[in-house]
Amino acid sequence: DSGVTQTPKHLITATGQRVTLRCSPRSGDLSVYWYQQSLDQGLQFLIQYYNGEERAKGNILERFSAQQFPDLHSELNLSSLELGDSALYFCASRGPPYGYTFGSGTRLTVV
Amino acid sequence: SQQGEEDPQALSIQEGENATMNCSYKTSINNLQWYRQNSGRGLVHLILIRSNEREKHSGRLRVTLDTSKKSSSLLITASRAADTASYFCATDEGGGADGLTFGKGTHLIIQP
Repeated sequence: DSGVTQTPKHLITATGQRVTLRCSPRSGDLSVYWYQQSLDQGLQFLIQYYNGEERAKGNILERFSAQQFPDLHSELNLSSLELGDSALYFCASRGPPYGYTFGSGTRLTVV
Repeated sequence: SQQGEEDPQALSIQEGENATMNCSYKTSINNLQWYRQNSGRGLVHLILIRSNEREKHSGRLRVTLDTSKKSSSLLITASRAADTASYFCATDEGGGADGLTFGKGTHLIIQP
């Protein structure tokens, strides 16, 4: 157990739908990062939150959004889903001693 | 965008042999990290090397960093079947923003 919890582990949904992925960071870590891993694009940074505020944006589609709540857990919302959104979505939290700790991911399948 | 490029893309060796994977990157970095991923599962942090370090060891792992060539290598000695996984290098430009930039990974297969 890395200390970063992601739910659900698997998600199957239809095109056009909306889903919410949840991440609880390691205790004490204020930063949460979201990544998407797909076969063709590899691991892509999506967005970062720090203590409730958006800090950086990467290759995140406009159909996707995220937020971090006062208890520091974060949610990634994916809407108007397309087949190409099928991927593994990871969150990571960042803190001492060396930085990043990744969750086990949510596997999203859009059918 | 991908910064790190691992080489080779795939590597198959016999158990007990050493495995070497290379990574090249493009920008200045604060540190470089190596991760392992077992088939479709989470990323496990292996080792971090800072930009002012040239070599680092952790158990059977040895990482080198050449900032002048913008390259790093990961050596796994005395490989085991359990080492079969994908290995990714990731660069951290520092400051925490933008997270890590990952390469596409090397898929390592250890044959018993």
